Amino acid sequence: GAVVSQHPSRVICKSGTSVKIECRSLDFQATTMFWYRQFPKQSLMLMATSNEGSKATYEQGVEKDKFLINHASLTLSTLTVTSAHPEDSSFYICSAARQGAFGYTFGSGTRLTVV
Amino acid sequence: GENVEQHPSTLSVQEGDSAVIKCTYSDSASNYFPWYKQELGKGPQLIIDIRSNVGEKKDQRIAVTLNKTAKHFSLHITETQPEDSAVYFCAARPTDKLIFGTGTRLQVFP
Repeated sequence: GAVVSQHPSRVICKSGTSVKIECRSLDFQATTMFWYRQFPKQSLMLMATSNEGSKATYEQGVEKDKFLINHASLTLSTLTVTSAHPEDSSFYICSAARQGAFGYTFGSGTRLTVV
Repeated sequence: GENVEQHPSTLSVQEGDSAVIKCTYSDSASNYFPWYKQELGKGPQLIIDIRSNVGEKKDQRIAVTLNKTAKHFSLHITETQPEDSAVYFCAARPTDKLIFGTGTRLQVFP
């Protein structure tokens, strides 16, 4: 149980285009989802917290107009990287929390390369 | 805000030996401390966790200890195997979000 599916696993896009990453909780309802970014050989840095039906809360220094987060249902959150640039190339990971539970389930990550 | 420090950054052990990774946190409101294993190109996988009302928890070769007074917690892996080689992250939860440590790259040599 508690499976989170993240797609795509890898994406290459041209500079200036937008990319959407999906995060789905397959067997539970995720009241809260989190988006992280991880650069090579570094830790996971929280970008934003999203709750179903409300606006995402972004961490300091994260541009909300560049990283659009939508959490339209209890099982789906999306991250759209708008007008991507090479410096946005990174490993993006989502996680989901079940209401009332302590645990967090992580997706398998998306490797974004902007060329 | 919460700050989680993790040591060592790299750890090399011989197969069969034990490995210990230590973390400290700053926010006394943190009440949940998970440990994750991350293999190259994959998302983190939970290996063990502990809540603030417990001092120790064990699952086969893996154990975690928590000292709330000192604000530190540790991961212990006994009888290490080559497949334990990965990056390990500790985390603390002061509110509803996890704050991660800087990671430890564990290498187990056969």
